[in-house]
Amino acid sequence: DSGVTQTPKHLITATGQRVTLRCSPRSGDLSVYWYQQSLDQGLQFLIQYYNGEERAKGNILERFSAQQFPDLHSELNLSSLELGDSALYFCASSGAGTDTQYFGPGTRLTVL
Amino acid sequence: GENVEQHPSTLSVQEGDSAVIKCTYSDSASNYFPWYKQELGKRPQLIIDIRSNVGEKKDQRIAVTLNKTAKHFSLHITETQPEDSAVYFCAASNSNFGNEKLTFGTGTRLTIIP
Repeated sequence: DSGVTQTPKHLITATGQRVTLRCSPRSGDLSVYWYQQSLDQGLQFLIQYYNGEERAKGNILERFSAQQFPDLHSELNLSSLELGDSALYFCASSGAGTDTQYFGPGTRLTVL
Repeated sequence: GENVEQHPSTLSVQEGDSAVIKCTYSDSASNYFPWYKQELGKRPQLIIDIRSNVGEKKDQRIAVTLNKTAKHFSLHITETQPEDSAVYFCAASNSNFGNEKLTFGTGTRLTIIP
């Protein structure tokens, strides 16, 4: 157990819908990262938040957005869902002054 | 941006033999290189990492080597066991403690043959 939690574990929804994925980092970790893992794209970095502020952005679609709240948990919002958005979504966290990232168990999103 | 290539994509070794997975990176500013093990449907789990000021690091049966000049790093697993079967990912980042996005390789599926 890495100490990073994610909910829900599984999510099944239809095209065009909107979903929210939630992540709680390890206690004391200030950074949260979101990654998407699909069969054809591998593990892709989406976005990073550090202590409530956006720090880095990867190949995140405009339909996707994220935020980190004062209690440091983070939410990834996916809207206007397409079939190709079906993937495993992982969040990871790291502490201040360290670059080691610990991954949560992931949310498996299926868009039908 | 950074690009990480990983080889081979699949690897089968006899139990007890050694396994080697190799990665190359493109950004000479990258300075942090972790390796993750992922079992089917599970989270990536950090198994070892190395920073650019070190050439080699070992943890029991697992070792990682880094060649900064050639921009490649390798994972070595000795005395392999069935529980080593998994997908292994290398990654690279330009770590400046506050911005450490990881760029991953495409993964190596390692199968240990009993």
